[in-house]
Amino acid sequence: EVQLMESGGALVQPGGSLRLSCVVSGFTVSTNYMSWVRQARGKGLEWVSAIDVGGSTFYADSVKGRFTISRDNSKNTLYLQMNSLRVEDTAVYYCARDRIAIFSWGKGTTVTVSS
Amino acid sequence: QSVLTQPRSASGTPGQRVTISCSGSSSNIGSNTVHWYQQLPGTAPKLLIYNNDQRPSGVPGRFSGSKSGTSASLAISGLQSEDEADYYCASWDDSLNGLFGGGTKLTVL
Repeated sequence: EVQLMESGGALVQPGGSLRLSCVVSGFTVSTNYMSWVRQARGKGLEWVSAIDVGGSTFYADSVKGRFTISRDNSKNTLYLQMNSLRVEDTAVYYCARDRIAIFSWGKGTTVTVSS
Repeated sequence: QSVLTQPRSASGTPGQRVTISCSGSSSNIGSNTVHWYQQLPGTAPKLLIYNNDQRPSGVPGRFSGSKSGTSASLAISGLQSEDEADYYCASWDDSLNGLFGGGTKLTVL
């Protein structure tokens, strides 16, 4: 059974950093496109970042230069390192299998950026 | 303001057919496939349609998708009360970004 489990969400001050993790089971992160998608409360979905099988990374303009997507194949885990956090980064962050045609989603982890 | 444009709301009565549109440009919908998601309150999105018109296993045949040029549509026939949800279109952009539409809130009257 395919499962994705995010963790690492927290309350953090503006300018702070946070690392989200997504532990995967039922498939291998290294052989799949993996993505992060976020959703602010009451708002729509926003694609954040993706990493392809070869390790190439892609970012939304809103997070480019601040967020870094990576994976640890030995732990079958996807990460999102978030630096220089802003109030507008407050959202539920979903880990997802695939690039934009996403068949499998995690339940999400909540990031709140507030002073 | 999303790059992929959807109506903010749509509605229909049970049994009716409803369509939701998604408008993009040559760099996204015009040159990439379109996908549709259903999101019920408090839950993660669920893939309804992928690659313009393909249904994942388990998605009822009442849901169908189409694409023409730089626009796409999701059609729901035989509308049911449990179809009341938010619907999002999505596509890849040639600038190497993923895109979601702003979402359409479907109300079953």
